[in-house]
Amino acid sequence: NAGVMQNPRHLVRRRGQEARLRCSPMKGHSHVYWYRQLPEEGLKFMVYLQKENIIDESGMPKERFSAEFPKEGPSILRIQQVVRGDSAAYFCASSPPGQGWETQYFGPGTRLLVL
Amino acid sequence: GEDVEQSLFLSVREGDSSVINCTYTDSSSTYLYWYKQEPGAGLQLLTYIFSNMDMKQDQRLTVLLNKKDKHLSLRIADTQTGDSAIYFCAGNNDYKLSFGAGTTVTVRA
Repeated sequence: NAGVMQNPRHLVRRRGQEARLRCSPMKGHSHVYWYRQLPEEGLKFMVYLQKENIIDESGMPKERFSAEFPKEGPSILRIQQVVRGDSAAYFCASSPPGQGWETQYFGPGTRLLVL
Repeated sequence: GEDVEQSLFLSVREGDSSVINCTYTDSSSTYLYWYKQEPGAGLQLLTYIFSNMDMKQDQRLTVLLNKKDKHLSLRIADTQTGDSAIYFCAGNNDYKLSFGAGTTVTVRA
């Protein structure tokens, strides 16, 4: 059973470009969470999605950031018009349906560098 | 939101015990977690403790929780070179996990 997959593992963008980060949850998991880790800090919650639904996006910046988890395919975290402050590691986690959120399984992360 | 703090570095000799400490602010956390991250890899859930427990033991790992002081610790017995990694403690606010900045554990021969 493959774990949570994220790609790309490393992404370099110039200021003003768009970044798309992908996350495929573990098989059978229908809940996806995105976290961001800024340098020298712990991971911070961004958004919680179920298939075709955003459940909680309280940790997402109001502008330029969006997330989706379509019926088919991976979850996508999209950052438009990136700025240097977006440079961070972005981790995705998944959990099984029901009350499975207490055990979240993390992917390897995408390291975004904005030049 | 929850603030979680932990020391940044720990150096330990192979075979000794490691103790990683963590403090948190949100007393409503129902679960407290320890994750391990090896270079280039994702966060691996090591263990977690329910907030009404004081202690949990799992092979070489012992978790102690002092709810009054909001202090969590992870003890690794007989530390091995494969235990070198970054260790994160985390608390939850429902499904939202809040992490410390991580403790880098270096095991020396």
